[in-house]
Amino acid sequence: AQKVTQAQTEISVVEKEDVTLDCVYETRDTTYYLFWYKQPPSGELVFLIRRNSFDEQNEISGRYSWNFQKSTSSFNFTITASQVVDSAVYFCALSLGGAGNMLTFGGGTRLMVKP
Amino acid sequence: DSGVTQTPKHLITATGQRVTLRCSPRSGDLSVYWYQQSLDQGLQFLIQYYNGEERAKGNILERFSAQQFPDLHSELNLSSLELGDSALYFCASSAGGEETQYFGPGTRLLVL
Repeated sequence: AQKVTQAQTEISVVEKEDVTLDCVYETRDTTYYLFWYKQPPSGELVFLIRRNSFDEQNEISGRYSWNFQKSTSSFNFTITASQVVDSAVYFCALSLGGAGNMLTFGGGTRLMVKP
Repeated sequence: DSGVTQTPKHLITATGQRVTLRCSPRSGDLSVYWYQQSLDQGLQFLIQYYNGEERAKGNILERFSAQQFPDLHSELNLSSLELGDSALYFCASSAGGEETQYFGPGTRLLVL
């Protein structure tokens, strides 16, 4: 069975600080996909990024960056120069693709960015 | 806007009742997934349909059922509702079986 752990339930930072959200996953499969979703106060789930298990390249998109390390089964998410609009709950998730494409979510990390 | 639509947005009902939640996937997507988000259980996968056929089942109660219609929209039926069924129900869609899932805005169900 798959498992995703987000140990940080809540993080509070002041605007312009950098913040890293941790995600650790467990799976015995060699092919899998990792995701981050954002859930703002309005409630919808917004897709941020998808990585497959064969692509360990880190990715940067504007102020967002992701660090995928298979050796430690981690897929961490960093927001640089955080803004109030980044306040949300962030979920890390894993799927196996194919017939096992359902997402297994972590418990989420609530990020509060204060002005 | 993800392109996935869900109706209704909010639903308030009483214990023992039955409700139907509706989802229209993004144009061209063949897979529809249903998830439940509750305070105690977090986000949990319920069921997946692919092009009208059930493809995978998760922690879905026997009181719950779903189907996907020929036009690819899906409905989740919840019956004999209990207080504990109060949750946010999300529908997601993807093009096939390995692509990214895009989520609808959710239906917030309150059982009184």
